[in-house]
Amino acid sequence: EADIYQTPRYLVIGTGKKITLECSQTMGHDKMYWYQQDPGMELHLIHYSYGVNSTEKGDLSSESTVSRIRTEHFPLTLESARPSHTSQYLCASSSLWSDGYTFGSGTRLTVV
Amino acid sequence: GIQVEQSPPDLILQEGANSTLRCNFSDSVNNLQWFHQNPWGQLINLFYIPSGTKQNGRLSATTVATERYSLLYISSSQTTDSGVYFCAVLSNFGNEKLTFGTGTRLTIIP
Repeated sequence: EADIYQTPRYLVIGTGKKITLECSQTMGHDKMYWYQQDPGMELHLIHYSYGVNSTEKGDLSSESTVSRIRTEHFPLTLESARPSHTSQYLCASSSLWSDGYTFGSGTRLTVV
Repeated sequence: GIQVEQSPPDLILQEGANSTLRCNFSDSVNNLQWFHQNPWGQLINLFYIPSGTKQNGRLSATTVATERYSLLYISSSQTTDSGVYFCAVLSNFGNEKLTFGTGTRLTIIP
């Protein structure tokens, strides 16, 4: 079944560690996105990609970086995690031929 | 950029009640989606509805694009309907990025 997968589901790490949040989709979607969300609050776009080798920063400034080497894979990396990065990170994808977004289950990150 | 407002911000209802959630947006849109975020944080796509009316079981949605609003109806509420409901839109102009409203937190009491 076509879907979008995020790992890990939960992550607790120490300050200064480097982490990569994984996102993969099996739907062949060209567009992929990363949103950041504090509990119960609205979602803010931090990165997006319209295809391989395309990455752009979103509306909310973020110290994270992304890469898009393969269509199905859109990982997000924090080089040096800080407590201010504690949040939920949601990955999504959409097709060029349909504007409906599909979201992954999210990664809940806690930096201590 | 486009502004998206949702009302009410919070809603507490008894099981079995009906509810209407509203989403107002400030500009023309070519995409509007309703999502339900469950207590575990997962966003579930309920409707893709840039215009018109759709129904799925106890849920239905109507978007009046010319008047820049959308409504989500939940009938015969169940405790599993609890969570936050988000409206998200894609503007006709410019950046092709989905903009989310602030959400309506729905709590269904047994």
